[in-house]
Amino acid sequence: GAVVSQHPSWVICKSGTSVKIECRSLDFQATTMFWYRQFPKQSLMLMATSNEGSKATYEQGVEKDKFLINHASLTLSTLTVTSAHPEDSSFYICSAEGRNQETQYFGPGTRLLVL
Amino acid sequence: GENVEQHPSTLSVQEGDSAVIKCTYSDSASNYFPWYKQELGKGPQLIIDIRSNVGEKKDQRIAVTLNKTAKHFSLHITETQPEDSAVYFCAASISVKTSYDKVIFGPGTSLSVIP
Repeated sequence: GAVVSQHPSWVICKSGTSVKIECRSLDFQATTMFWYRQFPKQSLMLMATSNEGSKATYEQGVEKDKFLINHASLTLSTLTVTSAHPEDSSFYICSAEGRNQETQYFGPGTRLLVL
Repeated sequence: GENVEQHPSTLSVQEGDSAVIKCTYSDSASNYFPWYKQELGKGPQLIIDIRSNVGEKKDQRIAVTLNKTAKHFSLHITETQPEDSAVYFCAASISVKTSYDKVIFGPGTSLSVIP
């Protein structure tokens, strides 16, 4: 089956620093990658969608200058949380979809704690 | 836009009993309905999916039914086991093979299987 990895699995950082999270599709080419945010005991909230080689499409209410997304290749997308603050602490999950696929395959998630 | 509702929010069953989770969607154009299982601290894992041209699909102890007219779809787990305990998310999307698919998730159901 399709495998998606994320790195790191967890990160603790100081307020004001930036954090980069990587999402990789290991055994297929991901033409589209999605970034979600999940708070405890809540559903997944789509933050943005990125297609390889083009700018990401952000959902309403998501600051594109704060959450920088790069989808430079068909197997890698990165999410950078800039100038992180405690309210950015959350579980960030990526998913990937291949060409002509209907199914999104999810990564294991990255837990971010901003002190 | 699409809205997905899910019931119940929590469900406890005895080991060996069946569990049923029900979802409704609002957009009649939705044609792809995946179900995801999320264990604590992990990313969602696809367990079964169904397309709008099919009324029912089964995979071992898991089955999904779809009523397009009523815009209902349900997940059925038979002979539940403790390892089935997790949060289950239903989702709906409009699958267009020439484009990426925005998946809308339900709020989730926390299933506990009591040994």
